[in-house]
Amino acid sequence: EPEVTQTPSHQVTQMGQEVILRCVPISNHLYFYWYRQILGQKVEFLVSFYNNEISEKSEIFDDQFSVERPDGSNFTLKIRSTKLEDSAMYFCASSEDSRRGYFGPGTRLTVT
Amino acid sequence: RKEVEQDPGPFNVPEGATVAFNCTYSNSASQSFFWYRQDCRKEPKLLMSVYSSGNEDGRFTAQLNRASQYISLLIRDSKLSDSATYLCVVPRNNNDMRFGAGTRLTVKP
Repeated sequence: EPEVTQTPSHQVTQMGQEVILRCVPISNHLYFYWYRQILGQKVEFLVSFYNNEISEKSEIFDDQFSVERPDGSNFTLKIRSTKLEDSAMYFCASSEDSRRGYFGPGTRLTVT
Repeated sequence: RKEVEQDPGPFNVPEGATVAFNCTYSNSASQSFFWYRQDCRKEPKLLMSVYSSGNEDGRFTAQLNRASQYISLLIRDSKLSDSATYLCVVPRNNNDMRFGAGTRLTVKP
């Protein structure tokens, strides 16, 4: 079965640095999402992306965050000037029809 | 009311028990609903979709009550391997899948 992949599996960065989290969605999917899960807390929606532009974003997704689909396969989340509270698991998901979401294994971001 | 609200649990049940979780939602226009399962430190995985009044898949039954705006998940004959967090998802629209906080289930021998 096709899978969503994410790299790296674990990223450690210093406060104030920029990180780019990468995702390769399932190839025929059209809708892409990023979610965040702080340890022990709920899965939080960050942003959705369709037709090469952001279609929805949550209140968490402020100017510190950006997303890009630089080529036909990758979908990236950039976090600028990271803060301690950005430490979380970041999940990418893709969907063929915006209904069933397939999640990647996540990137654990640790900001020190 | 929160957009998607779940009883956080935890639910601790013995093997073989029947357990049910509820999820309430605020958007009366929602048309589709999903239950996901999340194991510790893993990604959410789709368990069941609920498009009409409900559906059944083996030991799992999902039901939708539009009048009261809730969906439920019933697990019969629970197994140790059912221990996980169960997440309710109610899309706001085509582009926004919001998760409930999840209900933690522990099945004990």
